[in-house]
Amino acid sequence: DIQMTQSPSSVSASVGDRVTITCRASQGISSWLAWYQQKPGQAPKLLIYAASSLQSGVPSRFSGSGSGADFTLTISNLQPEDSATYFCQQARAFPSITFGQGTRLEIK
Amino acid sequence: EVQLEESGGGLIQPGGSLRLSCAASGFSVSDNYMTWVRQAPGKGLEWVSVISSGGRTYYADSVKGRFTISRDNSKNTLYLHMNSLRAEDTAVYYCARDLEGIAGYIESWGPGTLVTVSS
Repeated sequence: DIQMTQSPSSVSASVGDRVTITCRASQGISSWLAWYQQKPGQAPKLLIYAASSLQSGVPSRFSGSGSGADFTLTISNLQPEDSATYFCQQARAFPSITFGQGTRLEIK
Repeated sequence: EVQLEESGGGLIQPGGSLRLSCAASGFSVSDNYMTWVRQAPGKGLEWVSVISSGGRTYYADSVKGRFTISRDNSKNTLYLHMNSLRAEDTAVYYCARDLEGIAGYIESWGPGTLVTVSS
C-alpha cells in the first residue's frame, strides 16, 4: 500500500492568513492526488483533484501543487468557515486508494 | 442534483451480518464508479470497496472475503453486504460517487451511516 503522511497534524491561524498543509507519499504517485475538507459531523468534500485542479464550486483561495511524492494544499485569505480537518488521498494505486491521517485547522 | 443517502447501520454483535443501502438520485449508479469509505470514531478515512460502471468489484484487504459490494440498477441503489463483523469494523460508512471520467477521486458523498460492532 502507498502510505500518505500529512504535516502538521494540527495548525492554528487567523482570519486572513495563508496556511500550507503538506502531504508526502511513500512512493511517487505522479499527480494522482486529491484534497478533501471535512467538518465535524459531516462527510468529506472534494476540494482539489489531480494535485492542482480545483473542484467545481470550491473557492479559489484553495490551491494545490506538487507532483511525484510531495504535495501541498494552500489556503489563502483564511475564512472562519475554513475551520475543518483536511485529508490528502492518493489515486495512483486505484482501486486501492489511501488517505493521509488528516490535518486539523483551527481558526483563532 | 446528485444525492446519496445511506441506511442500514446500527448495533450488531461480533460475527453478525448487516446490509447497508445507499439510495442515489440525480444520476445512475450503473453509469459511475461507486465507492464505500469508512471512518472509525475520531479516526481517518479508509477505503472499503468500489464497483466499476462495468460491474467489476474491488475490496480492501481488511474486508476481502467478508464484505460484498453490489448494486440494483432498477432501484438505483448501492449496497454493502457485511458478514463476520468485527469490533474493528465499527465506523461511519459513507457511500460515494467517483468523479466522472476520473475514477479514484470521490466527488459526492452521502451523510454516512454508523455501524457499531459490540456485544
